[in-house]
Amino acid sequence: NAGVTQTPKFQVLKTGQSMTLQCAQDMNHEYMSWYRQDPGMGLRLIHYSVGAGITDQGEVPNGYNVSRSTTEDFPLRLLSAAPSQTSVYFCASSPVVQRVQYFGAGTRLSVL
Amino acid sequence: TQLLEQSPQFLSIQEGENLTVYCNSSSVFSSLQWYRQEPGEGPVLLVTVVTGGEVKKLKRLTFQFGDARKDSSLHITAAQPGDTGLYLCAGAPNTDKLIFGTGTRLQVFP
Repeated sequence: NAGVTQTPKFQVLKTGQSMTLQCAQDMNHEYMSWYRQDPGMGLRLIHYSVGAGITDQGEVPNGYNVSRSTTEDFPLRLLSAAPSQTSVYFCASSPVVQRVQYFGAGTRLSVL
Repeated sequence: TQLLEQSPQFLSIQEGENLTVYCNSSSVFSSLQWYRQEPGEGPVLLVTVVTGGEVKKLKRLTFQFGDARKDSSLHITAAQPGDTGLYLCAGAPNTDKLIFGTGTRLQVFP
């Protein structure tokens, strides 16, 4: 019962470095999304996808890219990391957007 | 602009007390979800409310969806330390985006 798997769990970057946060789900869900959560706050939507080959922007997309080449995988790319991107990142999946969202355990990212 | 505003932002109470958390918006939602998140973990769904005026109960938790489907509330009766966590409401104002509320952090002391 893997569910939604995020890697890595922790990451430290220097300003300007690039990296990819991985997200994979084994539930054959069409809808996948990325959120960031800053200390003591709710979740803000970065990007989402309603199916393979389809992605769209959320509330805070600047500085992030995504792609959805398969149903299972939805990687999030930081092209040039900035300190403002220090946060906890959550990936979620669901059959459709209005149904229950299943979350990964999160990736804790620090940008120095 | 935050589409879903929750209040209060923080709540610190003693075991046995009752509390209510509110989730408000100017937008209409086809449904609203409530999640609870514990430290170091992702949010976990508690309930989904779909019909305006709907009331759902989950043991000591009572969820209500406003008649106009713009707001929702979560009432906890006789809070216990195990209820401690971050409570989040979420809804899709259109068909594709699921937006989360600002969150209410609850601390229940023994």
